[in-house]
Amino acid sequence: NAGVTQTPKFQVLKTGQSMTLQCAQDMNHEYMSWYRQDPGMGLRLIHYSVGAGITDQGEVPNGYNVSRSTTEDFPLRLLSAAPSQTSVYFCASSAGDRTHQPQHFGDGTRLSIL
Amino acid sequence: AQRVTQPEKLLSVFKGAPVELKCNYSYSGSPELFWYVQYSRQRLQLLLRHISRESIKGFTADLNKGETSFHLKKPFAQEEDSAMYYCALSGSSNTGKLIFGQGTTLQVKP
Repeated sequence: NAGVTQTPKFQVLKTGQSMTLQCAQDMNHEYMSWYRQDPGMGLRLIHYSVGAGITDQGEVPNGYNVSRSTTEDFPLRLLSAAPSQTSVYFCASSAGDRTHQPQHFGDGTRLSIL
Repeated sequence: AQRVTQPEKLLSVFKGAPVELKCNYSYSGSPELFWYVQYSRQRLQLLLRHISRESIKGFTADLNKGETSFHLKKPFAQEEDSAMYYCALSGSSNTGKLIFGQGTTLQVKP
């Protein structure tokens, strides 16, 4: 049981390049989310999903796309990378019920945009 | 607006001293409050949640609805408590979203 797995762990991009951050979970969790972590700002929600085929925007969605074709996977796409997207990205999942089950986080992806 | 505020970026104490990490929130309904911890080179993990009213690693947190606070406390800090601590809020209609505070780095000196 690996929990939440994020790949890659590190990535350097040039401005304007595109890439996909992968996130997979093996706990059959309905809810999945993407956050970015920046110094002094904590974690901010980018996009989230409450089940396969259902996604919605969080606090800072601009410049990012997501899709949820399966329960297990929730990739995050940067369409045209900008230096402002330099950050550490965390994927999280939790059980989809009303009892506010805790989030399980991945190890993060450290992304630098030059 | 929903908001979580952790006023201290850094809290530095000596081993054995009491610790209180402050967290204030703004939410119109009945939120669920959590504390998450991130140790060096480890992933973010749940420390405790207010609904379970439990003590984890000697830490406790009480939800004060009047003061809209959820401060994290420990009577005697240990060096292994050094980490980044995040207070987080989940809205009454659970959709798996969390609103995080800015985080407080706890440094416990020997």
